[in-house]
Amino acid sequence: NAGVTQTPKFQVLKTGQSMTLQCAQDMNHEYMSWYRQDPGMGLRLIHYSVGAGITDQGEVPNGYNVSRSTTEDFPLRLLSAAPSQTSVYFCASSFGGKKQPLHFGNGTRLTVT
Amino acid sequence: DQQVKQNSPSLSVQEGRISILNCDYTNSMFDYFLWYKKYPAEGPTFLISISSIKDKNEDGRFTVFLNKSAKHLSLHIVPSQPGDSAVYFCAAREGDAGGTSYGKLTFGQGTILTVHP
Repeated sequence: NAGVTQTPKFQVLKTGQSMTLQCAQDMNHEYMSWYRQDPGMGLRLIHYSVGAGITDQGEVPNGYNVSRSTTEDFPLRLLSAAPSQTSVYFCASSFGGKKQPLHFGNGTRLTVT
Repeated sequence: DQQVKQNSPSLSVQEGRISILNCDYTNSMFDYFLWYKKYPAEGPTFLISISSIKDKNEDGRFTVFLNKSAKHLSLHIVPSQPGDSAVYFCAAREGDAGGTSYGKLTFGQGTILTVHP
């Protein structure tokens, strides 16, 4: 049981390049979400999904796209990377229910130069 | 506008003593609160939670206290151990009958706990 798997672990991009951060979970969780962690800011929600085919914006969605074609996968796309997107990105998943905790992957550290 | 605040960036305690981590929130719609622990180069892991209808929840060495009137919660670790050294995040979730909020947590900035042997 792998839990939440994120790839790659590290990535360096040049300004204007695009890339996709991958996230997969094998726990049959309905809910998936993407957070970014910046120093002094905690974790901030980028996008989330309540099930296959359903996504919505979080607190800091600009510059990012998501889609959810299967229950297992929730990729995050950066269309044109900017230095402000330098951060550590975490994917999380959970079952539905108020008391269900989020389960996090180990993160992708992205640097945009 | 930080809806969940952890005002102490760091805390240092001796092994065996109590660690108290604090968290304040401003959003009255929050009705479920969680604490996460994070080691370097790993994702946050769930530690303990509390519903807004309770004022205390205990799990082994970890106890979370909620004071709704003050919009304040705290995490107590007794006794503290060197392996508890990590970043601790407080998080909150809004009540939502429709269920769309289940995947959405609002996090504090985190507190770095160091437990000295």
